[in-house]
Amino acid sequence: AQSVTQPDIHITVSEGASLELRCNYSYGATPYLFWYVQSPGQGLQLLLKYFSGDTLVQGIKGFEAEFKRSQSSFNLRKPSVHWSDAAEYFCAVAPRAAGNKLTFGGGTRVLVKP
Amino acid sequence: EPEVTQTPSHQVTQMGQEVILRCVPISNHLYFYWYRQILGQKVEFLVSFYNNEISEKSEIFDDQFSVERPDGSNFTLKIRSTKLEDSAMYFCASSAGTDVSPLHFGNGTRLTVT
Repeated sequence: AQSVTQPDIHITVSEGASLELRCNYSYGATPYLFWYVQSPGQGLQLLLKYFSGDTLVQGIKGFEAEFKRSQSSFNLRKPSVHWSDAAEYFCAVAPRAAGNKLTFGGGTRVLVKP
Repeated sequence: EPEVTQTPSHQVTQMGQEVILRCVPISNHLYFYWYRQILGQKVEFLVSFYNNEISEKSEIFDDQFSVERPDGSNFTLKIRSTKLEDSAMYFCASSAGTDVSPLHFGNGTRLTVT
């Protein structure tokens, strides 16, 4: 069965510092890969997705993620965080035959210090 | 930007009661979904719906659950006889298609069963 692991439950970063959120997945073949963000009281917003091609994908709000097949990872990065980036971030995968049946990781809550 | 809207934002019900959670997907979307997140746990897929029928459902989606698109705009999730363990945040989502079409999530309905 497919699974998604986000090893960090909480991360605290200073405003302006870089951010990297880890995501590892377990799946028989390369799935579709996603990062979602959830701000307090809000729904899940898609940051970026990987389907195929260039393994470095750019998303909204200055985020990027790199797919590494050899490590079964899809880590999310942002060079300089803003206070508004404080939120919970979810990595998700979906099989290519059912691209919208998502399996989510447990989430990483990001706190931004001034 | 078009949004998925969910009502109510919070629903409290007694065990054994029926609840209906309502969603208005994005108007030109064809695929509809329900996910849920029990407090402290991962977001889980419940069901997908297309062309007025369920296209896929998870093990969680047992006979107590049903979905319906009663008119051209609403998409509902009904729980016939709620249990304490049904307490969760329920997210509705919609997409224009499968595979490359991303899911758009609503802000969720927090269901509390007492």
